[in-house]
Amino acid sequence: QKEVEQDPGPLSVPEGAIVSLNCTYSNSAFQYFMWYRQYSRKGPELLMYTYSSGNKEDGRFTAQVDKSSKYISLFIRDSQPSDSATYLCAMSLDNYGQNFVFGPGTRLSVLP
Amino acid sequence: DSGVTQTPKHLITATGQRVTLRCSPRSGDLSVYWYQQSLDQGLQFLIQYYNGEERAKGNILERFSAQQFPDLHSELNLSSLELGDSALYFCASSVNAASYEQYFGPGTRLTVT
Repeated sequence: QKEVEQDPGPLSVPEGAIVSLNCTYSNSAFQYFMWYRQYSRKGPELLMYTYSSGNKEDGRFTAQVDKSSKYISLFIRDSQPSDSATYLCAMSLDNYGQNFVFGPGTRLSVLP
Repeated sequence: DSGVTQTPKHLITATGQRVTLRCSPRSGDLSVYWYQQSLDQGLQFLIQYYNGEERAKGNILERFSAQQFPDLHSELNLSSLELGDSALYFCASSVNAASYEQYFGPGTRLTVT
């Protein structure tokens, strides 16, 4: 079993839909969670950063962490074609960038 | 644009060869990280340098090495290349040695034939 798992997709949704992207993990000690967006032929860019359990909202994006289920989610409201990208989750025991374990990514396509 | 630059964008080489990938961090960032991204393994941390010194090591093979120069740019050297080394190699930078907030470059796509 991999330490962090994501459905690779592709996930195709119509413009304006609510998108739910998910990761499951095996290490219950993970405390720090991030979501990255990676456009084709580009490097990942940090979208959301959360500590421990709970929700965090930033514009159309909401990150949710359920440590009891070892499950994190990223919700995108009113999805746009410009949201089409691969979304990577990452998590760590501590706050140090080099210790984050990345999921393989979910490819999202938002159709106009 | 993250401010991190990487060269070259693409590299095609043969098995057994050696290549050097180059990275310039964002202005003011002292820390440089190298990652390998392949389809089956996802994004894997290789090594981190901070202000010229090796700071942390991840899943880096002995055939791979890196260094950070006084002007803070970094190079990743890959030798005795194998087909399985074909991947995207990303460099990221951050302000200090222990920051979750990393800025990634556009990557170098390496193809080993």
